[in-house]
Amino acid sequence: SQKIEQNSEALNIQEGKTATLTCNYTNYSPAYLQWYRQDPGRGPVFLLLIRENEKEKRKERLKVTFDTTLKQSLFHITASQPADSATYLCARASNTGKLIFGQGTTLQVKP
Amino acid sequence: GAGVSQSPSNKVTEKGKDVELRCDPISGHTALYWYRQSLGQGLEFLIYFQGNSAPDKSGLPSDRFSAERTGGSVSTLTIQRTQQEDSAVYLCASTEAGGQETQYFGPGTRLLVL
Repeated sequence: SQKIEQNSEALNIQEGKTATLTCNYTNYSPAYLQWYRQDPGRGPVFLLLIRENEKEKRKERLKVTFDTTLKQSLFHITASQPADSATYLCARASNTGKLIFGQGTTLQVKP
Repeated sequence: GAGVSQSPSNKVTEKGKDVELRCDPISGHTALYWYRQSLGQGLEFLIYFQGNSAPDKSGLPSDRFSAERTGGSVSTLTIQRTQQEDSAVYLCASTEAGGQETQYFGPGTRLLVL
């Protein structure tokens, strides 16, 4: 079956360090992947979209990479801050647009 | 409106009762999606609307679940004869035209079935 997988274990890092989150997919080749942020009690908020022909996409302190050989996307937050603490979701879209999400990785940035 | 809104924000009901959850998408967005997020689970797709029609209902878990959309705007998700396993956060999202676009999510309705 087509799967999208994220490390379900929480990631704890020190403020100022770079956080790296992983999204792996199997049995298909998505045209692109989306990354969302979800805070407790709130709906997901879109962060970045990366297409299969893009190796890297940046937005402020965020960077996403897409490696079609490894079937993996990496999401980086540089100079992390406690306010970056949240759950980060990776998703692919079907042709109708429905999103298939990974389980999400919870990031905790300690001051 | 400025964003996707959902009501109620919280709903507690007894097993066996019916519940209705409402979603108001962003004005002008033709595509609307319902998702469910259970404790410890990821977000799972329920149903997709394009205008008032639902071309993809593949995620509805049972025939107790139904949804409609009227006037190409507001959508209602109905759960009949609720069960405890229906307890979850129900999220609604909308996009301008459907397809593989960024989705804008509402805050969700937290449903607890006792």
